[in-house]
Amino acid sequence: EDQVTQSPEALRLQEGESSSLNCSYTVSGLRGLFWYRQDPGKGPEFLFTLYSAGEEKEKERLKATLTKKESFLHITAPKPEDSATYLCAVQAARGSTLGRLYFGRGTQLTVWP
Amino acid sequence: DVKVTQSSRYLVKRTGEKVFLECVQDMDHENMFWYRQDPGLGLRLIYFSYDVKMKEKGDIPEGYSVSREKKERFSLILESASTNQTSMYLCASNGLLGGNEQFFGPGTRLTVL
Repeated sequence: EDQVTQSPEALRLQEGESSSLNCSYTVSGLRGLFWYRQDPGKGPEFLFTLYSAGEEKEKERLKATLTKKESFLHITAPKPEDSATYLCAVQAARGSTLGRLYFGRGTQLTVWP
Repeated sequence: DVKVTQSSRYLVKRTGEKVFLECVQDMDHENMFWYRQDPGLGLRLIYFSYDVKMKEKGDIPEGYSVSREKKERFSLILESASTNQTSMYLCASNGLLGGNEQFFGPGTRLTVL
């Protein structure tokens, strides 16, 4: 069974304190790994897609990396506005359910001034 | 920009009522999805559709049905609402020509009394 596990469940950082969020996965062939940001009471907002081990993507203070078994979302010098829940999802290569994603439960990030 | 809209942000219904949640996307996407999101449980897939009039069950379809009469519109139906269906409902879509990332609507917070 495909599984996505995110850690930690919650993370509190002081403004400027860099850290990383982890997403480990077990799928039968990876078509893509996706990172989303979700603010309270809103729908998830797409951040990145990674397709193969070794790939990296960056956006402002966020950098996502991918290995064969996990992905990291590195946050450099975070600001309070980076506070949100970050979701990881994977798409498996097998089967006919194209487009279906399997989501982790998320990491709730709080950045305090 | 991809836009996914949902018919209501907040909805309050009584036990036993029939409830319709509607979702519209404007990017000509083939695939559409309905999730519910509950604290501690993450996003759970209820139903999805990969074409007009086509539907597939997700992980928690019990108590729900769906309708897709037009490509841009995907409706979630609660035939007889129950209190355990109180949740945040999120609609998403993606297309065959894109990068497989799903784009989400703003969500509908449904309360069943």
